Amino acid sequence: DVKVTQSSRYLVKRTGEKVFLECVQDMDHENMFWYRQDPGLGLRLIYFSYDVKMKEKGDIPEGYSVSREKKERFSLILESASTNQTSMYLCASEPTGYSYEQYFGPGTRLTVT
Amino acid sequence: AQSVTQPDIHITVSEGASLELRCNYSYGATPYLFWYVQSPGQGLQLLLKYFSGDTLVQGIKGFEAEFKRSQSSFNLRKPSVHWSDAAEYFCAVNSGGYQKVTFGTGTKLQVIP
Repeated sequence: DVKVTQSSRYLVKRTGEKVFLECVQDMDHENMFWYRQDPGLGLRLIYFSYDVKMKEKGDIPEGYSVSREKKERFSLILESASTNQTSMYLCASEPTGYSYEQYFGPGTRLTVT
Repeated sequence: AQSVTQPDIHITVSEGASLELRCNYSYGATPYLFWYVQSPGQGLQLLLKYFSGDTLVQGIKGFEAEFKRSQSSFNLRKPSVHWSDAAEYFCAVNSGGYQKVTFGTGTKLQVIP
């Protein structure tokens, strides 16, 4: 079974802190994604990556950056956390090709105070 | 541009009753269609997907969905709901190629005894 793990289930940070959210997948998938999930808004794509060291902006990249130094790991960085970044963050991976089936991690609920 | 609409934010059904969750998409050609389920505190899990062929698709946990091109719909059904089906359900669409998956805003299902 594909396994996608995220470094923390719950995280509390202060405004202005730099925050790192880590995601690791164990199925050698090329594609990885970061979403944020807010009530009534569904999932919104922040960034995605089709390969190591490659990244593409999603629909809401402002205030975020990403890093993909190894194929299995995709990190989301909040350079200076703000209260409006309080949310659930979901990481997903997807094999290359035409399945378009995404495998999700359990999520990180981030609270910025 | 592709889009997906889930018109019902919240649905309540009695255990043992049938269920239908609505999903409408917007895209000129036949897209790739998905239903995901998110149990409380968890990531998303794929229930089923439609790419082509038979318009009635069977998934896991006893769910099925029917693709209706004329109505641009991909509704999810289950003949008899169990209390463990209480969760949030997301419809998703991908128009193919290097497009990203677009998720609906979700329908939260409550199951009452």
